[in-house]
Amino acid sequence: DTAVSQTPKYLVTQMGNDKSIKCEQNLGHDTMYWYKQDSKKFLKIMFSYNNKELIINETVPNRFSPKSPDKAHLNLHINSLELGDSAVYFCASSRGAGGVDTGELFFGEGSRLTVL
Amino acid sequence: KQEVTQIPAALSVPEGENLVLNCSFTDSAIYNLQWFRQDPGKGLTSLLLIQSSQREQTSGRLNASLDKSSGRSTLYIAASQPGDSATYLCAVQGNTGKLIFGQGTTLQVKP
Repeated sequence: DTAVSQTPKYLVTQMGNDKSIKCEQNLGHDTMYWYKQDSKKFLKIMFSYNNKELIINETVPNRFSPKSPDKAHLNLHINSLELGDSAVYFCASSRGAGGVDTGELFFGEGSRLTVL
Repeated sequence: KQEVTQIPAALSVPEGENLVLNCSFTDSAIYNLQWFRQDPGKGLTSLLLIQSSQREQTSGRLNASLDKSSGRSTLYIAASQPGDSATYLCAVQGNTGKLIFGQGTTLQVKP
């Protein structure tokens, strides 16, 4: 049973479209994250939610909007897609939201977004 | 601003060798350091988590050490196998919970 699952795994779309990626975790964790891995394989955090509240919001275009309907789900909606948005987007979860109680981060398999 | 560097960027070794991957970070105010493995086209698998109060962690053939004051961690892989071929990422965590990643070391173990 997958701990952190994301859908879709692959997404190919045209510039200007709006798309969403969904994430669910069944670990009972309080905190969920979105990370972006670019073409150079560098991973960088985008957002973090703790118990449905936004706690980390890095410098990300406001075309990206995360939504957390409950603490087990964190979805990522992207408006007006651009070529530079092509990347692999990873969802992750952890027990805590910072400090010594955060614990390990567990990652999903990633969603590869290609914008044409 | 925290920066994480991994050296080497790529490493190729024959099967059976012991090897060391290096990770350095610029800000020693961390809560923990985590080593991950990433296979091509896959997600990240957590290998070891070292809390800032710890010096090392071991899991099977893997041993990770942490020297917080000097901003360094090493991942030691004993008796490497072809199945160990992957990209290894280290990441440090500050007080906000977010991980700052290095760019990884891509390891190839040749049979």
